[in-house]
This record gives sequence, structure tokens and C-alpha cells, in this order.
Amino acid sequence: EVQLVESGGGLVQTGGSLRLSLRLSCAASGFIFSNYSMNWVRQAPGKGLEWISYISSSSDIIYYADSVKGRFTISRDNSENSLYLQMNSLRDDDTAMYYCARGIRNRAKDPFDYWGQGTLVTVSS
Amino acid sequence: DIQMTQSPSSLSASVGDRVTITCRASQGISKYLAWFQQKPGKAPKSLIYAASTLQSGVPSKFSGSGSGTDFTLTISSLQPEDFATYYCQQYNNYPLTFGGGTKVGIK
Repeated sequence: EVQLVESGGGLVQTGGSLRLSLRLSCAASGFIFSNYSMNWVRQAPGKGLEWISYISSSSDIIYYADSVKGRFTISRDNSENSLYLQMNSLRDDDTAMYYCARGIRNRAKDPFDYWGQGTLVTVSS
Repeated sequence: DIQMTQSPSSLSASVGDRVTITCRASQGISKYLAWFQQKPGKAPKSLIYAASTLQSGVPSKFSGSGSGTDFTLTISSLQPEDFATYYCQQYNNYPLTFGGGTKVGIK
């Protein structure tokens, strides 16, 4: 059974600082992780879905949404069957549920099939 | 960026109704269009990709059609478990973009 389990979310209080960081993880099981591309998608409270980042199976192709480019970094460790999102310079509008989602095939135009249950990130000043 | 516009933003329907949701892309995306279902407090679930291909395990009451800029999701006979919010998404170009969602409620 394919499973994606996110972790690492929580409450981050900025207190005026722009240097606060958080690292999200997505643990994969039930499939050969190294064969599939992966994505991060977020959803602010009461809002719609926003794609934020893509990584190919071998990490050679990476894309970001403009809203996170330069602040967030996607990575993966195929030996650990894990996907990561390093989030720096967090802002109030980064408050959201963060989901990881698997690509069906490791191709440039890759639809999603499985999603994790999400991890909540709350940024408060 | 490609803008995805869904209509309606919400609708009310009865059990057994046929429901159609439309999604329009701001430029042609061939058939690189996916549909997702999300229930309150839950993660999205993938329903359809390539405009009309059902994901494994998705019942045949769901169907998708379209190509280019105009797409539809149809639920042939609405059941209680289908009351949810539905999103379209284009994956033709990065950044990937979603429609604003269509909330299907009970009449």
C-alpha cells in the first residue's frame, strides 16, 4: 500500500525576525521511491490548493512557485525514502497545510496520484 | 502562468442528480488536466488525469472530457459520499496551477 506521511509542521512565531526556518519531511512507503517524482502542495486555511515545488526522481530537475522561490528548498533522499522541504524566511502567508504528492511517472508533465495527509504550518507574528 | 477558472464556484444538488463542473485554461494545455476531490479536513484525492483517464479505484460515475482550453468533470449520479470540493489542475507547464474549486453541496 502506497503511504506518504508528512511531519515537521508546527507553530513558528516570527517576533519580527525574518530568519525563522522549518523543515518538513514526507516519509514514503509501499513503492520504489526512487522511481517517482514528488511535489509539495499547500492549502491556506479556507483557501484552495497551491502547488509550490516539484523534484524529479533523481533530483536533477527542480521547480518552484514564485511565491516560495529563494526561500524554500525541496530535496529528497532516495536511500531513506524521504522527501523534504526546507522553509526559510517564513512569513505569515506561509501558514497552510502542506501536502506531499507523488507523480504518476517520472516525466516532465507528471500528474499526481497519491497524496499524504498533510502537516500544518502556522506562522504568527 | 496559466490561469485555471472553474465554474460554478458552488452548486447545490440532490442525490441522484447528474452534476457537471467546468474548467477553463487561459491558454491551451492539450489534455494535461487533472481533477481532484477534497472533503472537509481531508487530503485531496486524485480522480482523473489526462483529462479523461480515471485513477485506479475511482468509480466510473466520474468522467472527464475536453482538450485545449475547455474541460468538464461529470458525476453521473450524485451520491452522499460525493459531496465535496472539486479542483482542476493543469500540468502542461510549470508552475502547476489549480482552479479555485467547486463546492458541491446538498440541496
